[in-house]
Amino acid sequence: AQSVAQPEDQVNVAEGNPLTVKCTYSVSGNPYLFWYVQYPNRGLQFLLKYITGDNLVKGSYGFEAEFNKSQTSFHLKKPSALVSDSALYFCAVRDPLTGGGNKLTFGTGTQLKVEL
Amino acid sequence: DTAVSQTPKYLVTQMGNDKSIKCEQNLGHDTMYWYKQDSKKFLKIMFSYNNKELIINETVPNRFSPKSPDKAHLNLHINSLELGDSAVYFCASSQTRSGASTDTQYFGPGTRLTVL
Repeated sequence: AQSVAQPEDQVNVAEGNPLTVKCTYSVSGNPYLFWYVQYPNRGLQFLLKYITGDNLVKGSYGFEAEFNKSQTSFHLKKPSALVSDSALYFCAVRDPLTGGGNKLTFGTGTQLKVEL
Repeated sequence: DTAVSQTPKYLVTQMGNDKSIKCEQNLGHDTMYWYKQDSKKFLKIMFSYNNKELIINETVPNRFSPKSPDKAHLNLHINSLELGDSAVYFCASSQTRSGASTDTQYFGPGTRLTVL
């Protein structure tokens, strides 16, 4: 079974400061990991994904995420937060060894609030 | 040139009614999905279709029936609506259905269903 946990319901950060949104996962084999962002009353927008290779993945809007196999984590980071980054962030995992299609399992989401 | 579109955006209806939500993607993808996001923002997959073939069918009441007239469309029909069906329903698509696929799922804007 595949699962993902986002331990923080909300993260508050001042504009210009670095931000981190945490994600840990559980899969049988090597995971495929994704980050999505949801702005109010909008759909989910893809930010970045880790499949294989370099543990540091760069994505849209200046976001990056670091895959850490020993800690089973895939934390989302940005060096300098913007007020416009305020949104709901979802981590998702897929176990490629799982049969039955391209099934993503999402975390419970972390609300990021960036304040002036 | 919206990639994944859904109609309607909002749907308010009475208990016991039957309603449909339509989804279309113009990305040329082979696989489409329906997700449900509850009031706590938790996202869970409901169905997945690949080239009109049902691939994923999670534990969903049989009042929910997906219909795929062609690979660019996946509609969701709900019979005998209940209060607990109130949620935001997201359609998504990806290139392939394979569990080993590295493809990203792209989401529509969502349909907010309110059952009174």
